[in-house]
Amino acid sequence: GAGVSQTPSNKVTEKGKYVELRCDPISGHTALYWYRQSLGQGPEFLIYFQGTGAADDSGLPNDRFFAVRPEGSVSTLKIQRTERGDSAVYLCASGFRLSANTGELFFGEGSRLTVL
Amino acid sequence: RKEVEQDPGPFNVPEGATVAFNCTYSNSASQSFFWYRQDCRKEPKLLMSVYSSGNEDGRFTAQLNRASQYISLLIRDSKLSDSATYLCVVNEAGRRALTFGSGTRLQVQP
Repeated sequence: GAGVSQTPSNKVTEKGKYVELRCDPISGHTALYWYRQSLGQGPEFLIYFQGTGAADDSGLPNDRFFAVRPEGSVSTLKIQRTERGDSAVYLCASGFRLSANTGELFFGEGSRLTVL
Repeated sequence: RKEVEQDPGPFNVPEGATVAFNCTYSNSASQSFFWYRQDCRKEPKLLMSVYSSGNEDGRFTAQLNRASQYISLLIRDSKLSDSATYLCVVNEAGRRALTFGSGTRLQVQP
């Protein structure tokens, strides 16, 4: 497909387990973002990649969260020792470099994580 | 204080009504502004950018007041299909990430 693809669409796990969420961005997009969204809230920034490197990881809540994008395309968000408070929809978005005039990010449908 | 604040609503309006949403942002260095739309259980999508001089796209008009750090969205002649959550979005100078408000929910009723 032509859009941002995220897998799994739903993930239920137990407290303390390790989780990986995958994002396949739109081909050619250099920028990739991870956000998470809780019910009734807007998306909350986690991390931004430009190419292979994490250009801004200031939104990661703690060191249990880590993300990689080794070849500048697919990205994986990794969450260690999951906690119930990690339950949310994790959204991936891709685009070209943001500028003053271009604010279009293309979001995937998200991975809904539930930690029991 | 949140970086981007919006009235969560819901705004319940009849078809054909005009409705306006407001948003304030805290960082005066913010340089670009957008409205995104999010349907229930769907991903956010760009609705329109907001320019300093104000801009219009069909039934939608966006305004920016930098002095008051205030952004607005006006929807004229509301349609049932306009029912969604409208997210106010800001890009701060020097950052490459967008900051989203919590959204304002609109319900257009027949």
